[in-house]
Amino acid sequence: GQQLNQNPQSMFIQEGEDVSMNCTSSSIFNTWLWYKQDPGEGPVLLIALYKAGELTSNGRLTAQFGITRKDSFLNISASIPSDVGIYFCAGRAYNQGGKLIFGQGTELSVKP
Amino acid sequence: KAGVTQTPRYLIKTRGQQVTLSCSPISGHRSVSWYQQTPGQGLQFLFEYFSETQRNKGNFPGRFSGRQFSNSRSEMNVSTLELGDSALYLCASSLGGINTEAFFGQGTRLTVV
Repeated sequence: GQQLNQNPQSMFIQEGEDVSMNCTSSSIFNTWLWYKQDPGEGPVLLIALYKAGELTSNGRLTAQFGITRKDSFLNISASIPSDVGIYFCAGRAYNQGGKLIFGQGTELSVKP
Repeated sequence: KAGVTQTPRYLIKTRGQQVTLSCSPISGHRSVSWYQQTPGQGLQFLFEYFSETQRNKGNFPGRFSGRQFSNSRSEMNVSTLELGDSALYLCASSLGGINTEAFFGQGTRLTVV
């Protein structure tokens, strides 16, 4: 099935550093969602975006709905060890029947 | 407000058997979507049910089926299990519109031996 192109696939950073990841598509999306998943658990919703250009924050996390509607970005500032996990982007589009389509995930490792 | 509940959490089945997984969505949510998650394939969409009707379907064989009850609880069934069906099965609950959030349960870890 279709997946969003998420980059990078993995990141190894030092505690305190900022993190950026993105998700791109060849077609437009109407909704972007960002999730974090810990091993063996279900994804937890971090941020939801509904309008092109929208910038939304949740604590140290900030996400943006790309102006072209074909991409989205997630930034984590001042990373801490508990940020470790896999981050997924997901999108809904009218021309995909509204189902939630996922990126491949970005695995984040934080070194204390 | 209770979250999304999936049962059971863990399951071990033998090849050729069938299995039924259950998902209780957040109260008031009418949409339940199912996903299969494997290390190599990521999160793959199985199907979505809305108000007891299948609204979307992914590219999985007919061995994978589902249904939704009038209280929005959903079940998915996999018949004639194969080793490759071993995965984390996740369900997501939402109000059902395109501009809505989706919340996941903890998943059911299915192991086929």
